[in-house]
Amino acid sequence: AQSVTQLDSQVPVFEEAPVELRCNYSSSVSVYLFWYVQYPNQGLQLLLKYLSGSTLVKGINGFEAEFNKSQTSFHLRKPSVHISDTAEYFCAVSDSGNTPLVFGKGTRLSVIA
Amino acid sequence: EAQVTQNPRYLITVTGKKLTVTCSQNMNHEYMSWYRQDPGLGLRQIYYSMNVEVTDKGDVPEGYKVSRKEKRNFPLILESPSPNQTSLYFCASSLSGLSGGKLFFGSGTQLSVL
Repeated sequence: AQSVTQLDSQVPVFEEAPVELRCNYSSSVSVYLFWYVQYPNQGLQLLLKYLSGSTLVKGINGFEAEFNKSQTSFHLRKPSVHISDTAEYFCAVSDSGNTPLVFGKGTRLSVIA
Repeated sequence: EAQVTQNPRYLITVTGKKLTVTCSQNMNHEYMSWYRQDPGLGLRQIYYSMNVEVTDKGDVPEGYKVSRKEKRNFPLILESPSPNQTSLYFCASSLSGLSGGKLFFGSGTQLSVL
């Protein structure tokens, strides 16, 4: 069964600094990868997804992620964070649509003014 | 407006008193799912449904029931709630759960079982 590891449970970062949230998944021949964001007291929203094609995926709010098959990773990055990016971020993976999504445990990003 | 609607938003109950959390979507989605979110454990899938009358267990189905009699509704039933079911619950839907489609989430139901 697929599994997802988000290596950092909490990431504090100063406003306008870059950030990387790490995500690794268990190996599979072909996967679909997702990042979801949860703002305080809200449900999750899709940030970006990788299904196939270019390994660099751009999402909403200036976020991007890079699919690295050899390292089984899908790290999320933003070059300059804002206070409004404070939220919990979830990485999720599916075996190319053959299985339901499996979510990681989440990374809480706190942006400090 | 396209949305997934969960009710109630907050619920406090006592051990053993049956309850139902409703979930409805207005996007004609085939796939619907229930998750629970606990600190340090992320989201864990309880049950999912690929279409009407088709439901399957997720990772943590014990103590829960679901039904999918209509495409738009997917209620979560706790026949005899226990304190370890205190959690934040989310319903989600997508056009097709196994095609990489975007999941739409409800706003959540915070359940406390005393």
